[in-house]
Amino acid sequence: GAGVSQTPSNKVTEKGKYVELRCDPISGHTALYWYRQSLGQGPEFLIYFQGTGAADDSGLPNDRFFAVRPEGSVSTLKIQRTERGDSAVYLCASSPEAGGRDEQFFGPGTRLTVL
Amino acid sequence: AQSVTQPDIHITVSEGASLELRCNYSYGATPYLFWYVQSPGQGLQLLLKYFSGDTLVQGIKGFEAEFKRSQSSFNLRKPSVHWSDAAEYFCAVDRRAVGGYQKVTFGTGTKLQVIP
Repeated sequence: GAGVSQTPSNKVTEKGKYVELRCDPISGHTALYWYRQSLGQGPEFLIYFQGTGAADDSGLPNDRFFAVRPEGSVSTLKIQRTERGDSAVYLCASSPEAGGRDEQFFGPGTRLTVL
Repeated sequence: AQSVTQPDIHITVSEGASLELRCNYSYGATPYLFWYVQSPGQGLQLLLKYFSGDTLVQGIKGFEAEFKRSQSSFNLRKPSVHWSDAAEYFCAVDRRAVGGYQKVTFGTGTKLQVIP
């Protein structure tokens, strides 16, 4: 079946611009996670959704970052007033449920470059 | 606080040689542990996971890992490396949050180079 998809695969923007990154999780997966992976680092947790609600947004670096999941499936990560330090690969992952022993299934990521 | 340490940033092995990638974690309770692999342009793929029970875990692609509580380690091994194993490998720890959901911390990764 289809895995997690993310669009766009690459995004180049200028400092100060607004960007939206999209994640389509595996159908039926209720849990959705966003991570940020900077060069030479492992993924870092940003936010977790259970259904439509953001149950844990403790990883968002500041209030320029925001994410939504209005219908409990597709999620959008929004970054306002982008800065060069926001350049990274943004990964989305989903799992069938919040707990349990299922692993997270990752998408290929969106590479964001802020010039 | 929890952390995951992968002390080797880069490892080079010959094709057919054995491999061991090190991972140490810091966590107060029994952890849930994972190894993921990331190939260029690909998403993270789970190799194996440990939740409880047998401390030697078998995964895909011929990989295995051993959980050693006394050493706070979860090292990844493969008896004979193939050129297609060249990738970056991440160890991860899942600390279940109060709501019961996964809260995963990744190590910084180990890049594996395989030479003929």
